[in-house]
Amino acid sequence: DAGITQSPRHKVTETGTPVTLRCHQTENHRYMYWYRQDPGHGLRLIHYSYGVKDTDKGEVSDGYSVSRSKTEDFLLTLESATSSQTSVYFCAISDPMDIQYFGAGTRLSVL
Amino acid sequence: GESVGLHLPTLSVQEGDNSIINCAYSNSASDYFIWYKQESGKGPQFIIDIRSNMDKRQGQRVTVLLNKTVKHLSLQIAATQPGDSAVYFCAENPETSYDKVIFGPGTSLSVIP
Repeated sequence: DAGITQSPRHKVTETGTPVTLRCHQTENHRYMYWYRQDPGHGLRLIHYSYGVKDTDKGEVSDGYSVSRSKTEDFLLTLESATSSQTSVYFCAISDPMDIQYFGAGTRLSVL
Repeated sequence: GESVGLHLPTLSVQEGDNSIINCAYSNSASDYFIWYKQESGKGPQFIIDIRSNMDKRQGQRVTVLLNKTVKHLSLQIAATQPGDSAVYFCAENPETSYDKVIFGPGTSLSVIP
């Protein structure tokens, strides 16, 4: 998976609890992305980062926040998880104007 | 593994035959297109890409065709193998803007041995 590690791979949590997903890369790519994938939808961008401490919102950013304090790590936080955030989350990395490479995904279930 | 879609279009192909997977894109300003393959329980994997100044590009056993007139993209897989069974989806990138990459919902390819 192109030097990308997502953790945890599976998580079950309860509504209202905070959740943090981690993406770690060993490729030194500048750009990092968080997507969610749901049945009937393509991948939808949540947030992305174009450098350390530089982030921006994607199509479905409500209810999510991100942080990038180091080139290799991009964290996705659900401050108060809701059942609508049950999904598979993918991290991706890329260099500018280049192909995005994806991690193996995190399956999150919010009960 | 992770579920990637419950109501995807499905294509069933006999092993050894050629497969053609189609994708209609939405934005006439898109200038870069990528095909990804996603196996069950895994993340999307890059297969091949094409820029809008090209009509065709070939890789190993795969060919992508781009028809800008009708905004249509196709992926051809030659001599389809059981390992090709996966969900395939296209992505379009209008004006190479990172927050505007649009991923299609995908097509599920099933290879019959």
